[in-house]
This record gives sequence, structure tokens and C-alpha cells, in this order.
Amino acid sequence: NAGVMQNPRHLVRRRGQEARLRCSPMKGHSHVYWYRQLPEEGLKFMVYLQKENIIDESGMPKERFSAEFPKEGPSILRIQQVVRGDSAAYFCASSPGLAGGPGQETQYFGPGTRLLVL
Amino acid sequence: LAKTTQPISMDSYEGQEVNITCSHNNIATNDYITWYQQFPSQGPRFIIQGYKTKVTNEVASLFIPADRKSSTLSLPRVSLSDTAVYYCLVGDKNNFNKFYFGSGTKLNVKP
Repeated sequence: NAGVMQNPRHLVRRRGQEARLRCSPMKGHSHVYWYRQLPEEGLKFMVYLQKENIIDESGMPKERFSAEFPKEGPSILRIQQVVRGDSAAYFCASSPGLAGGPGQETQYFGPGTRLLVL
Repeated sequence: LAKTTQPISMDSYEGQEVNITCSHNNIATNDYITWYQQFPSQGPRFIIQGYKTKVTNEVASLFIPADRKSSTLSLPRVSLSDTAVYYCLVGDKNNFNKFYFGSGTKLNVKP
């Protein structure tokens, strides 16, 4: 059973461009979580999604950031008009979605996408 | 809010036992307490999970008091390879879909 896949692993963008980060959850998992980690800092929750539904986006910046998890295909984190401050590692995690809430499930993390904005 | 509180960093020497405590005053009644380990440039990975009292696996032990307002991750006889950041995660008592990652404890194991 393959783990959580993220691609690309490294992404370089110039200021003003768009960045698209993809996350394929573990087989059978229907919940996806996105986190951001700035250099030398801890994980910061961004958004929690079920298929075709955003459950909690309280950690998402109000502008330029969006996330989706369609019925088919990977989850996408989209950052429009990137700025240098968006440079960070972005981690995706997935969980089965069979238990009650996220506090009752184990999250399985991908290797991350390292975004560098020039 | 079920905020979690962890020490920012800890130092230890090889062979010592390390205990890292996480405070979570408003943990959801039915939720687990889960700990993760993160090495540099890698995604976090699951270490251990528990609901109450004590849980032990091949990597660590987890101690949870009766009131569940805190938990202690215990790493026996640490080695240099245990140098990492350790996070606790709990669910929110007042919101089914909310959860909180601790800010992480950076453990530095010295030879």
C-alpha cells in the first residue's frame, strides 16, 4: 500500500506566478490535511478536506490560497501570485475518515513539497 | 480552545530516558492523544497513540493521567538518531472537526 504521495517534491516559482501542489492520499483514505512549515518553525495547520468538501480552512490565508479535494484525483493546494514569504515546505497528510473526527484518527504524512519563490 | 503546550526544546545525552510533556486542558472526551516525530526535511511520522493510562510500543511509552489534561511521551535510552522534533496532537472538546498540533519540542541528543 503506497504511502501519501506529494508532487512535485521541489518547486521553484518567481514572484507573481502560480504554484500548484498535489497530494495523493493513501489508498482508501478520504480525508486530507495540508500544513505549512516555514524554515526552523513548527507545522502550521492550513486546511482539512474530505472529498468534494472543505471541513476546516481556518488556517488558510484569506487571499491567494485555495484547496480542493475532488471526487477523482489528488488534492490540490493552489497558491496564486506567490510572494517570497510563501517559500516553505508544504506537507499533506491523509486519514481514513472512518472514525469520529480527526482527533480519533492517525494522520499519515507525505514527504512534502518545498516551494522556493525567487 | 484545546490548545496544546509543549516545551520548545530539550537536551539529553545518549542512553538517557527522555520525557516530553504536552498540556491539553480542553481535550475532547472521546479523542486519542497522538504523538508524531519529525526529522529534518521529512514529513512527520506517527510514534504512539493512547486514550488513557499507559501505552507502550517498540519505540516509546505514553503516560496519560486520569484527567487526560496532559500526556508524557517517554523515550527510553535515547540515541543520536532520536534527535528530532516531537509533536502532540489532540482533538477539540467543543468542535468535532477541530484538532491541534502542538508547537513541537526539539529534542537534541548529545553523544
